[in-house]
Amino acid sequence: NAGVTQTPKFQVLKTGQSMTLQCAQDMNHNSMYWYRQDPGMGLRLIYYSASEGTTDKGEVPNGYNVSRLNKREFSLRLESAAPSQTSVYFCASSESGFAYEQYFGPGTRLTVT
Amino acid sequence: RKEVEQDPGPFNVPEGATVAFNCTYSNSASQSFFWYRQDCRKEPKLLMSVYSSGNEDGRFTAQLNRASQYISLLIRDSKLSDSATYLCVVNRRAYSGAGSYQLTFGKGTKLSVIP
Repeated sequence: NAGVTQTPKFQVLKTGQSMTLQCAQDMNHNSMYWYRQDPGMGLRLIYYSASEGTTDKGEVPNGYNVSRLNKREFSLRLESAAPSQTSVYFCASSESGFAYEQYFGPGTRLTVT
Repeated sequence: RKEVEQDPGPFNVPEGATVAFNCTYSNSASQSFFWYRQDCRKEPKLLMSVYSSGNEDGRFTAQLNRASQYISLLIRDSKLSDSATYLCVVNRRAYSGAGSYQLTFGKGTKLSVIP
């Protein structure tokens, strides 16, 4: 039982490049989330998926897109990376909705130069 | 008032000390409250949920005051392994999706327990 896994762990991109961050959970959770964490800013929600087949914007969605591929997988895509997207990205999952404990993946450290 | 506000610390305390963290939140409609722990360069992990009646888990006690919109975490008999950043987390109505809520994370309070 791996919990929440994320790939890659580290990534360096040049401005304008695109990439997809992958996330998978094996806890049969309905809801999944993408956050970014910046120094002095705390965790901020980018997008979430309350259940398979649905996605919604969070606090900071600009510059990102998401896909809930199936119940297990939720990917985050940066179409044209910018230095402002340098951050640590965490994927999380929970049973259903925000009242429940969220389980986090180990994070992806992204640097955009 | 910021949505979730915490004292950033750092709190440097000796082993065995009692330390208290405070958190205030601005949205009176918030319904769920949590304390998460985050070790350096690691992911956040749930420490405990916070209930209206207050709750205790071993050396950890959490309290909620809805009238004052205030949450606290008390750690007794601090251990070296308690060194981490403690995140206050509150849910609030989502930006989109009627009736749905999102979690708002405080910036965290850093604790260092010193031998």
